[in-house]
Amino acid sequence: DADVTQTPRNRITKTGKRIMLECSQTKGHDRMYWYRQDPGLGLRLIYYSFDVKDINKGEISDGYSVSRQAQAKFSLSLESAIPNQTALYFCATSDFGRQEETQYFGPGTRLLVL
Amino acid sequence: AQSVTQPDIHITVSEGASLELRCNYSYGATPYLFWYVQSPGQGLQLLLKYFSGDTLVQGIKGFEAEFKRSQSSFNLRKPSVHWSDAAEYFCAVGALSGNQFYFGTGTSLTVIP
Repeated sequence: DADVTQTPRNRITKTGKRIMLECSQTKGHDRMYWYRQDPGLGLRLIYYSFDVKDINKGEISDGYSVSRQAQAKFSLSLESAIPNQTALYFCATSDFGRQEETQYFGPGTRLLVL
Repeated sequence: AQSVTQPDIHITVSEGASLELRCNYSYGATPYLFWYVQSPGQGLQLLLKYFSGDTLVQGIKGFEAEFKRSQSSFNLRKPSVHWSDAAEYFCAVGALSGNQFYFGTGTSLTVIP
């Protein structure tokens, strides 16, 4: 099931570089989210978007930016990567208006910042 | 403030034994509760969810969870664990009117033969 895809799946970059992580979904959901996962910290919300014109900061947005290019696409950018942004990044989607706002996750992007 | 607590960082059980993973939440509105599983190198897969109605919910892979409002808990259970259940388990809370999910820090499950 590839309803939510993330590219790349793995990425190594150097401190100071700009990188972009991409997320696409075929579920037709309005809402999209970016999380990062660190050992012992669970998942923390970076940004979320309720539609193409609506972008909101999450718990840990500093150092990140996002772009919602279309309903199906939501990109996360690290403008100037730093080593403590090394983490596993997940994109998720949910369907606004349904009683059950379950979030569906992509496979994750593992990022290493040297 | 909203929060989710998974008090057990790591649990080890023998294959065939029963399992209970604990989850406590703090949420001002009526909560929607979820359990996700993350296998090594994989994304998060939804195991089960509770919105209303019967407080005992059944999920995939033989898992179930019970919502206890008086204890603010939503513990995950399985009667007989299989080696393939070894994974990380996350409890999460959200609300229809809310705009965020809150995840616990996860419980890592090891299954020994």
